[in-house]
Amino acid sequence: DIQMTQSPSSLSASVGDRVTITCRASQGISNYLAWFQQKPGKAPKSLIYAASSLQSGVPSKFSGSGSGTDFTLTISSLQPEDFATYYCQQYNSYPWTFGQGTKVEIK
Amino acid sequence: QITLKESGPTLVKPTQTLTLTCTFSGFSLSTSGVGVGWIRQPPGKALEWLALIYWNDDKRYSPSLKSRLTITKDTSKNQVVLTMTNMDPVDTATYYCAHTQLAAPVYWGQGTLVTVSS
Repeated sequence: DIQMTQSPSSLSASVGDRVTITCRASQGISNYLAWFQQKPGKAPKSLIYAASSLQSGVPSKFSGSGSGTDFTLTISSLQPEDFATYYCQQYNSYPWTFGQGTKVEIK
Repeated sequence: QITLKESGPTLVKPTQTLTLTCTFSGFSLSTSGVGVGWIRQPPGKALEWLALIYWNDDKRYSPSLKSRLTITKDTSKNQVVLTMTNMDPVDTATYYCAHTQLAAPVYWGQGTLVTVSS
């Protein structure tokens, strides 16, 4: 199985901050990586696919980059509605696997 | 628009078999490239991918759970069914179904919490 490791596991940030979350795959996955946002009690919401492509309707303050084993999700200017847990997921090979999540909290 | 909804028991006893149904609308599971998968999330923990079935009946399972899982589809009813045998308290989780089209899931159901307890 491909292991996905996110860092940090949690972070505290202020409104307006630029936030970067990292996801590392245990082996190369090309660009078959997605990012999800999850708020408490809700289903995950798809933000990014193919490492850097924004899902329809997702604001441009979210961006993704990377290829191979190292990937990042950046939120350019954190807003109150962005406080949530973020997950990466590889779909290069089965079994699909998720990172352990990064909780973004208010400072 | 695409919607999915999970249904099934909220409480099962240890050793019992869990059967969950995903009923969807807005797409057809006979369309090339389309799939429906199941993902679960224990309380306060991370997401775990379980199984996936494609339009052509190709099925994929998590290796760690493969012996306990079966995924099937009923295209005429727009449903996908997941069965998990020999349930244990560690299987307590919210179970989600999700739509995929040869890529990561985009559309998710609201999830259903299944508690395993005697």
